[in-house]
Parts: sequence; C-alpha cells; structure tokens
Amino acid sequence: AQKVTQAQTEISVVEKEDVTLDCVYETRDTTYYLFWYKQPPSGELVFLIRRNSFDEQNEISGRYSWNFQKSTSSFNFTITASQVVDSAVYFCALSNTGGFKTIFGAGTRLFVKA
Amino acid sequence: GAVVSQHPSRVICKSGTSVKIECRSLDFQATTMFWYRQFPKKSLMLMATSNEGSKATYEQGVEKDKFLINHASLTLSTLTVTSAHPEDSSFYICSATSAGGQPQHFGDGTRLSIL
Repeated sequence: AQKVTQAQTEISVVEKEDVTLDCVYETRDTTYYLFWYKQPPSGELVFLIRRNSFDEQNEISGRYSWNFQKSTSSFNFTITASQVVDSAVYFCALSNTGGFKTIFGAGTRLFVKA
Repeated sequence: GAVVSQHPSRVICKSGTSVKIECRSLDFQATTMFWYRQFPKKSLMLMATSNEGSKATYEQGVEKDKFLINHASLTLSTLTVTSAHPEDSSFYICSATSAGGQPQHFGDGTRLSIL
C-alpha cells in the first residue's frame, strides 16, 4: 500500500527563518513520483516540484530546496529566508508511474509571521 | 504552465438542489481528471477518477448516485452533486493530468454551501 506521512501538522516561524517540512512515504513500487504542492489561503493548489524515484539529486529553486533520500524514504522541503507569502498548507504526494492515482499527505500548515 | 479552469468558484443553494461543477483543461488534453473533496483543515480526499469516454472509478465510500461524474471530452469533466444536503457542503477540487506520473494540475476549487 502507498502512504504519505507529513508528521508536522502546523509550523510557525518568523520571517527570514529557514524552515523544513518533512515528508516520509511508503510504497512497494520501484518506480514512482513524488510531488510537493502549495495551497495558499485562497484555496487553489499550486504545483511546486516533481521528482522521480531514479533521480535522487537534490533540487534548488530560488528559496526552495528539496532533499530526496530513498534510503530513508523521505522527500523533505526547505524554505530559506521564509516570507509572509509562504504562509500556506503544503502537501507532499506520491504516485506510481503505472497508474494516475496520487496519494496526498495530510499537509503541513505553515505560518510565517512578520 | 498548464491551466485547469473550474467553475463555479462558489455556490450557495438550498437543500435538495442539484449542483453541477465543471472542470476544463485549457491548454492540454486531460486523459484523466480527478475529483477531490476537502474538509476544513484537512487533506484532499479523492472521490473519483474520471477517464474520457468511460465510467468514473469511485473511491470506497463515495456514493455514485450522489456524485455523478461525466467526462465527455479530453478537456471537460463535470461533477453533479444531486439533491444536495448540508452535509455535502465542502470544498471540491478537480485536477487533470495528461499521463501517469505527471503532475496533476488543479482547478481553483468550488466552495459549496448547502443551506
């Protein structure tokens, strides 16, 4: 069975702090994809990143970076120098390549205070 | 980037009314569309998977006769909440994808309130 665990329900930081959102996944598939999505207060979901299971290279995009470690089944997301606009719920998700179904974690609500 | 349009964004209606929500992929052919329901401060709960031209696959516990899904073309899927009641009030979100393992592109969601 597939499962995505985001153990942190809520995180509160002060602007300019760095923050890491944890994501641990379970799957029996050898080929799969991992995703992060952002849901701001307005409700829409915004795609942030996709990583396939064969690519363990870490990725950096501006203030965002992702650390994928197959050995620990983790795909953590770090925001550097957080800003108030980063306040949102962040979802980690997992899908296999054979099908289309995506499993979402429970989400981590991030509050960034000015 | 890929755009998915969901309409309407907000609906308020009386109990017993049927409500139709549309989900359109604007710049790509969506082989598969998904319908999710999200309760306040909760994760997305997959309701059904919809493939163009075939019957939707519903998740366990989701009433097929209550939530009618039609995927008539590669760019349009509709969700109809039939005879809606207050307990159907929720945030409904659609998403579309062109292939397995590809990112899902989400609509902006529909906030449904049944009085």
